[in-house]
Amino acid sequence: GNSVTQMEGPVTLSEEAFLTINCTYTATGYPSLFWYVQYPGEGLQLLLKATKADDKGSNKGFEATYRKETTSFHLEKGSVQVSDSAVYFCALSADSNYQLIWGAGTKLIIKP
Amino acid sequence: NAGVTQTPKFRVLKTGQSMTLLCAQDMNHEYMYWYRQDPGMGLRLIHYSVGEGTTAKGEVPDGYNVSRLKKQNFLLGLESAAPSQTSVYFCASSYGATSGRGETQYFGPGTRLLVL
Repeated sequence: GNSVTQMEGPVTLSEEAFLTINCTYTATGYPSLFWYVQYPGEGLQLLLKATKADDKGSNKGFEATYRKETTSFHLEKGSVQVSDSAVYFCALSADSNYQLIWGAGTKLIIKP
Repeated sequence: NAGVTQTPKFRVLKTGQSMTLLCAQDMNHEYMYWYRQDPGMGLRLIHYSVGEGTTAKGEVPDGYNVSRLKKQNFLLGLESAAPSQTSVYFCASSYGATSGRGETQYFGPGTRLLVL
């Protein structure tokens, strides 16, 4: 079946450090891939997405590339800020399915 | 434009009590979803709706019922609350089906439920 695996947290970095949060997936067909972010006390919001292989999603300095050969969609940012502290969720949507399949979430803590 | 709103924000129930969570969206979205979020488990789909008057079961439907009498509202009911239903509940909506086309889901702020 379809599944998403993302690195366990929390991930703790200093401000201006480089960020990578790994996400790998298992899916049939050609899924779309998403990163959602949940800031403290809030609901989830879409950060970026990619709908086909080799697509790169980007937003707010974050990037992720849809790699079909490695079934991965790793999230990266070149220089993190304290305001990036949040929980990040990787998710996929597969063909003929109404639901998103979610990773467990990775808590990111950025220290000044 | 409020997006997706949820009421209440927080509720404490005793085992066996009932309650209804209300979700409302003002984006004219066809699809609506109820999720629960538990520590270390990501989000799990409880029920969803593909349009007014329709509902369908998700991954973890037991103990919950839903109704979509109006397009903008999606209600989640707990008939007899159990401690295992202590969780944070999120409602989401999307214009079309998420499947395969990368349709974005828009989330409400969540309802924190504690069942004693």
